[in-house]
Amino acid sequence: DQQVKQNSPSLSVQEGRISILNCDYTNSMFDYFLWYKKYPAEGPTFLISISSIKDKNEDGRFTVFLNKSAKHLSLHIVPSQPGDSAVYFCAATRTQGGSEKLVFGKGTKLTVNP
Amino acid sequence: GAGVSQTPSNKVTEKGKYVELRCDPISGHTALYWYRQSLGQGPEFLIYFQGTGAADDSGLPNDRFFAVRPEGSVSTLKIQRTERGDSAVYLCASSASGGSETQYFGPGTRLLVL
Repeated sequence: DQQVKQNSPSLSVQEGRISILNCDYTNSMFDYFLWYKKYPAEGPTFLISISSIKDKNEDGRFTVFLNKSAKHLSLHIVPSQPGDSAVYFCAATRTQGGSEKLVFGKGTKLTVNP
Repeated sequence: GAGVSQTPSNKVTEKGKYVELRCDPISGHTALYWYRQSLGQGPEFLIYFQGTGAADDSGLPNDRFFAVRPEGSVSTLKIQRTERGDSAVYLCASSASGGSETQYFGPGTRLLVL
């Protein structure tokens, strides 16, 4: 059973607009969440993370929001740029008493059109 | 500094053969992870090393899969009697010390079993 779900396989936005990528999780033991970006034929690249004790973390154009009660997180990219076109993976882990393994969603392919 | 490297980048083998996949983590990183990514899926955890020992091997699908990290740096993932269903991208990641430390991924080895 998928513990981390990204229900949108793809998203297309115009350059300069906001991209919002969504992620839901089912395991309440997860306490740390990450977003990775992946270009074709490359490994995933870390983008931004958030601890369960926070509800927002911002890094430049990227902001991650966490709603623990809804078990939902989202990644906002603003303004979107053509170079942001990639597959975005949401991942979750337990940092206390866990194995530190990341549990990934299936990914959302973002296309930013010039 | 150098990132995580994996060799070979591509491997084609025949059903029933034995393969070895190599991972060189970032220098000084004590934690090393193997993941497998099938087409259309996110990466799935296989095994986690802390130093030389396998701290969590719960993701290995069966006893045909084995991994070692004898000196606490380079790791080898070994697959015996390969099956067509083993075809996937095998990703290696390392982090400074595990826990909530960021996992940095290599480019992966694309394994095709004919």
